[in-house]
Amino acid sequence: IAGITQAPTSQILAAGRRMTLRCTQDMRHNAMYWYRQDLGLGLRLIHYSNTAGTTGKGEVPDGYSVSRANTDDFPLTLASAVPSQTSVYFCASSPGGNSYNSPLHFGNGTRLTVT
Amino acid sequence: AQSVTQPDIHITVSEGASLELRCNYSYGATPYLFWYVQSPGQGLQLLLKYFSGDTLVQGIKGFEAEFKRSQSSFNLRKPSVHWSDAAEYFCAVGPGGYQKVTFGIGTKLQVIP
Repeated sequence: IAGITQAPTSQILAAGRRMTLRCTQDMRHNAMYWYRQDLGLGLRLIHYSNTAGTTGKGEVPDGYSVSRANTDDFPLTLASAVPSQTSVYFCASSPGGNSYNSPLHFGNGTRLTVT
Repeated sequence: AQSVTQPDIHITVSEGASLELRCNYSYGATPYLFWYVQSPGQGLQLLLKYFSGDTLVQGIKGFEAEFKRSQSSFNLRKPSVHWSDAAEYFCAVGPGGYQKVTFGIGTKLQVIP
């Protein structure tokens, strides 16, 4: 079934450690996104990529980095994790960047706990 | 700056009862408006969207929403709720690009028998 695969499903991480959350899509979508979901704050965009080779900063990019070496993969890296990065992380993709014409497809999320 | 307000964090309804989830937005021009649903342990799924035309839009799973410019609202409705509708619902607003779409904090719907 076509879609977005995120790994790991959940992770407990010690503060200060480096962590990469993986995201792979098989729909050949141009645009990909990383969101974090926190209780009472909804979804907030961390980083995005409109096409392979390009990335941009979202609402809450600090402490995170991304790369987009190819169409399918969009990993999110926490260089030195802090407890405030405890959250559920969602990867999403869309055929194009226009929100009305290109619906978002979401992965099932990665639950990250930083201790 | 644009914003979205979902005033109800948690709503409980009986199965078969009608449902209305509220969403108010702040945006300078005519926005794109969306409702997404999130089932437990899953990502969000688009229910419906609005940009122009008929102010009453139909979505999947029997949901509809009405755009009211004068009230800056985009409330989600369903005439008869099913137990499978228990989930969290997110309203979102924005211009064309997803990098500028703002999500509300969500309304968690509980359905009781």
